[in-house]
This record gives sequence, C-alpha cells and structure tokens, in this order.
Amino acid sequence: AQSVTQPDIHITVSEGASLELRCNYSYGATPYLFWYVQSPGQGLQLLLKYFSGDTLVQGIKGFEAEFKRSQSSFNLRKPSVHWSDAAEYFCAVVPRSNYQLIWGAGTKLIIKP
Amino acid sequence: KAGVTQTPRYLIKTRGQQVTLSCSPISGHRSVSWYQQTPGQGLQFLFEYFSETQRNKGNFPGRFSGRQFSNSRSEMNVSTLELGDSALYLCASSFDRDEQFFGPGTRLTVL
Repeated sequence: AQSVTQPDIHITVSEGASLELRCNYSYGATPYLFWYVQSPGQGLQLLLKYFSGDTLVQGIKGFEAEFKRSQSSFNLRKPSVHWSDAAEYFCAVVPRSNYQLIWGAGTKLIIKP
Repeated sequence: KAGVTQTPRYLIKTRGQQVTLSCSPISGHRSVSWYQQTPGQGLQFLFEYFSETQRNKGNFPGRFSGRQFSNSRSEMNVSTLELGDSALYLCASSFDRDEQFFGPGTRLTVL
C-alpha cells in the first residue's frame, strides 16, 4: 500500500540553526510530492512541491527540498530557522493515477531561543 | 483573491445528530477536496468533487457524504454522529488536480 513516513514526531532546533525534516514514501512510480506547514489552529499552507524536473525545489519562507528517487525521499531543509517557523510540517504524496493526497503523520518543530 | 472559506469554524453536536459543513473555494477553482484531521489518525482524505461530480473517495463509511454545486461551493454531511467523528475538517480547492489551497477548517466536537 502507498504510504508516507515522517520518522520524527518532534524535532527541537535552536533559533538560527539549520533544519532537515525527513520524508520517505512507498510507491511504485514517482508521485507528486508536497510539503505543507500548519500553525496551531490554522489550515495547511503549501511550502513547496515537486512534479518533475530539477530535483532541488525552492519554496516559500526560505525552505527547500530535494527529491532523491533512489532513496524514495523528499527531505525538507532550511539553512537557518526562525522562531516563527515553529509549527507542524506535513509531507504528502499524490499518486499520478488518482490524485488522492496521502499524508505523513507530521513533524512538530520546536524552536529553542 | 479571496482564499478558501469554511463555515462554521466551530461546531458542537451530540451523538446521533447530523451535521453539514460548507466550503467556498477560491474563485475559478473547480475541484474541492475534503480531509479529516485527528490526533490519532492524522490527515485522511474523504472525497474530491469536480464539476459537481464526486471524482475520488477515501475509505470512510457511508455516513460521510458530500456534494458540489454549480458555483463549485461544496458541502459535506455527516449523519448519525459518533464520538470518533470529532475532528478538524479541512477543505481544499484547486483548479484541476494541481496545487491545493486549504481553508482554516471546521472544528467539530461530538459530545
């Protein structure tokens, strides 16, 4: 069955430090790939997406992600986090056959001052 | 351009009742998808509507239903509410199977 794994439930990072959130998917063909962010009490905001082409994708708020086909991964990175980045981050994949978003469990990012 | 709006934002119901949630997509968007978010199950896809037709459906019981109107606005209905239906219900709109834009959600509490 198709699945998305975000192995880290919580991650704590100091303000100004770099960040990497992991995402692995299980699917036969390369799906569409997304990262969303959800602040408390809010809906989901798209950070970035990968459909095809360059495997390094730039998103909003200084985030980037790299698609690695050999590892079935789509990890999210940011060189220097800000306190306002504290939120929950979700990786999602969409099989090209049915466009049904399949979500990871989310990673809660905590920023230490 | 106005974003996706969902009404009501908060709702309290009792077991056995039914509820209807509303979603107004971004102007020009024809696809509306619904998701349920709970602490235990995370985000789960409910269904997708496109041009008033259900195009895709997740693995939820028949108590969960939806529809889409000619102006692309969508409603979802849950009948015979159970305690486990307490969740944040999110609606997302897209032009057609591209980037989805999410509303703020409706927080449903079933007592």
